[in-house]
Amino acid sequence: QKEVEQNSGPLSVPEGAIASLNCTYSDRGSQSFFWYRQYSGKSPELIMSIYSNGDKEDGRFTAQLNKASQYVSLLIRDSQPSDSATYLCAVKGDGQNFVFGPGTRLSVLP
Amino acid sequence: SAVISQKPSRDICQRGTSLTIQCQVDSQVTMMFWYRQQPGQSLTLIATANQGSEATYESGFVIDKFPISRPNLTFSTLTVSNMSPEDSSIYLCSVEFGQGAFYEQYFGPGTRLTVT
Repeated sequence: QKEVEQNSGPLSVPEGAIASLNCTYSDRGSQSFFWYRQYSGKSPELIMSIYSNGDKEDGRFTAQLNKASQYVSLLIRDSQPSDSATYLCAVKGDGQNFVFGPGTRLSVLP
Repeated sequence: SAVISQKPSRDICQRGTSLTIQCQVDSQVTMMFWYRQQPGQSLTLIATANQGSEATYESGFVIDKFPISRPNLTFSTLTVSNMSPEDSSIYLCSVEFGQGAFYEQYFGPGTRLTVT
C-alpha cells in the first residue's frame, strides 16, 4: 500500500523564522511531488510542485526532493502568521492517483 | 489551473435522505475526482470520474452509496445516498491538468455536509 507520512504537528515557529515541513513516501515509483496549503474551513490549495531531485524555489517557499531517500520537504522562509495552516504533502506515480499525507499543522506565532 | 465551483457549499440533511453535489469546471478536463475529508483528517479518494465511462471507486466506497455522473467534460455530480451521521464530512471535487508525468491537481471549494 502506497503511503505518505508527515508529522502531524502542530509545528510552532516564531514570526520571521524558517518553518521546515517534512514528508516521506513509500512508493519508489513516485514521480511527482506536491505541497498543498489548507486553511481551516477551506479546500487545499496547490503551492508547490517538484518533479526532479534538488531544490525548487518560489518566493518564500522552497521545495526539496531526494528520491533516493524518498523524502520531500518544504521550507517557508520569513514565516508569517498568515502561513498558519495545515500543509499536505502529495505524491503521484505515472498513471497512478495522487496519494496525500495526513498533513502537518503549522502555527506561526506573532 | 482552473476555476472550480461546487454546489451547495454546505447543507444540513436528515438521516435517510440523499444529497447531490455538483461540480463545475471552467475548462474541459478528462479526469475529475471526488474526495471526502472528515474533521481533522486528510483527504480520502472516493472515486475517479471520466467522461463517458463508469466511475472507478476506491476500496470502501460503492456506487449504490455514492453514485456519480459525468455527463460532459466540465461537469460532474456526486450523490450521497441514504445518509447517516457518519457521512458528515467535507466533500471535494478536483481536476487534473498536465501531460506525461507532469500533472497537477486542483480542488473545488468543497461542500460541508452535516447529517442529523
